Amino acid sequence: AQKVTQAQTEISVVEKEDVTLDCVYETRDTTYYLFWYKQPPSGELVFLIRRNSFDEQNEISGRYSWNFQKSTSSFNFTITASQVVDSAVYFCALSAITRQLTFGSGTQLTVLP
Amino acid sequence: GAGVSQSPRYKVAKRGQDVALRCDPISGHVSLFWYQQALGQGPEFLTYFQNEAQLDKSGLPSDRFFAERPEGSVSTLKIQRTQQEDSAVYLCASSFGRTAPYEQYFGPGTRLTVT
Repeated sequence: AQKVTQAQTEISVVEKEDVTLDCVYETRDTTYYLFWYKQPPSGELVFLIRRNSFDEQNEISGRYSWNFQKSTSSFNFTITASQVVDSAVYFCALSAITRQLTFGSGTQLTVLP
Repeated sequence: GAGVSQSPRYKVAKRGQDVALRCDPISGHVSLFWYQQALGQGPEFLTYFQNEAQLDKSGLPSDRFFAERPEGSVSTLKIQRTQQEDSAVYLCASSFGRTAPYEQYFGPGTRLTVT
């Protein structure tokens, strides 16, 4: 069985602060993929990143960065210099051989001006 | 842009009515998924198609739920004899590949309210 845990239900920061969203996963598969999605108030899930279990290199894309550590089964997401437009619910998800996505319960990020 | 589209966006049904939710995936995407998202929760998997074949329906909560994709493109999720617990947002997603889990692109969802 697969499980994704996002322990932070809500986070509130002031604009320009850095913020890290935590994600811990469980799977028995040796090959798996991890994802982050953003769900703004409009409701549509927006794909942000996909990483496979063989690639533990951290990744940076603009103000976004991801830290994947297999040793702790974590795939954390950091937003640098947050902006009001970053306010959304962020979901971490896991996919293996079954191809379906198993989502965490999400973290509501509010960035205050 | 040619993203995933879903219709209707909102549906109100009286308990016991049948409903049909439509999904138009991104052109050329082989895989299609349906998810159910309850308020304040992450999406939960319902069913998966590869072309017209329904390869996994393990997430369908009861035999009142039925999905089809007869020509390998548009898909319909049908719920018979709706119950209040069926109230949720129903999300459709499509993906390019057949093998490795590629990223899934989601539609805006259909918000179903059963009264």
